[in-house]
Amino acid sequence: AQSVAQPEDQVNVAEGNPLTVKCTYSVSGNPYLFWYVQYPNRGLQFLLKYITGDNLVKGSYGFEAEFNKSQTSFHLKKPSALVSDSALYFCAVRDGDNYGQNFVFGPGTRLSVLP
Amino acid sequence: GAGVSQSPSNKVTEKGKDVELRCDPISGHTALYWYRQSLGQGLEFLIYFQGNSAPDKSGLPSDRFSAERTGGSVSTLTIQRTQQEDSAVYLCASSPQGHKAFFGQGTRLTVV
Repeated sequence: AQSVAQPEDQVNVAEGNPLTVKCTYSVSGNPYLFWYVQYPNRGLQFLLKYITGDNLVKGSYGFEAEFNKSQTSFHLKKPSALVSDSALYFCAVRDGDNYGQNFVFGPGTRLSVLP
Repeated sequence: GAGVSQSPSNKVTEKGKDVELRCDPISGHTALYWYRQSLGQGLEFLIYFQGNSAPDKSGLPSDRFSAERTGGSVSTLTIQRTQQEDSAVYLCASSPQGHKAFFGQGTRLTVV
């Protein structure tokens, strides 16, 4: 079985500062990792994924994430935060060795970027 | 359409009534998922269809909840005898063979 932890319910950062949203995971097989963002009253939008290859993955809107196998982490980062980045962020994992498994999502982290 | 389509976008129903929520996945996507999201909270897995395999129903909260997927395409989530705790946004997603999932806009269900 797989699971995802997002240890911070809320992250506050000043506009222009770097941001990090943390995610750790547990999966028995090969981890496929994802970040999604949800703006108010909107569905989930895909940001980026790690399937294989370089540990540093670049995605939409200037976001990137680093896969760390030894720490079982996949933290989301952005060098310079914008007020418009304020939203709810979800990390997800699925077992890449078993398509019979669904996506498991973390509880979400609310990011607030202050002007 | 280009994306996952869910209908209705909003549904208000009286306690005890049955409701049906519809999901039209992206054409060709073999996997279809239903999740539930309470106000500002995380995603609760409900059910997962993958091709012709038996669905993973392990997330359905009670026997009042059921879902089917006809012809490997459209899916309907049915909630019988709705309760106030069923009020939430119901999200559908589809995926081509397990890579990223594409989400619909959701159906906001309010049970009064």
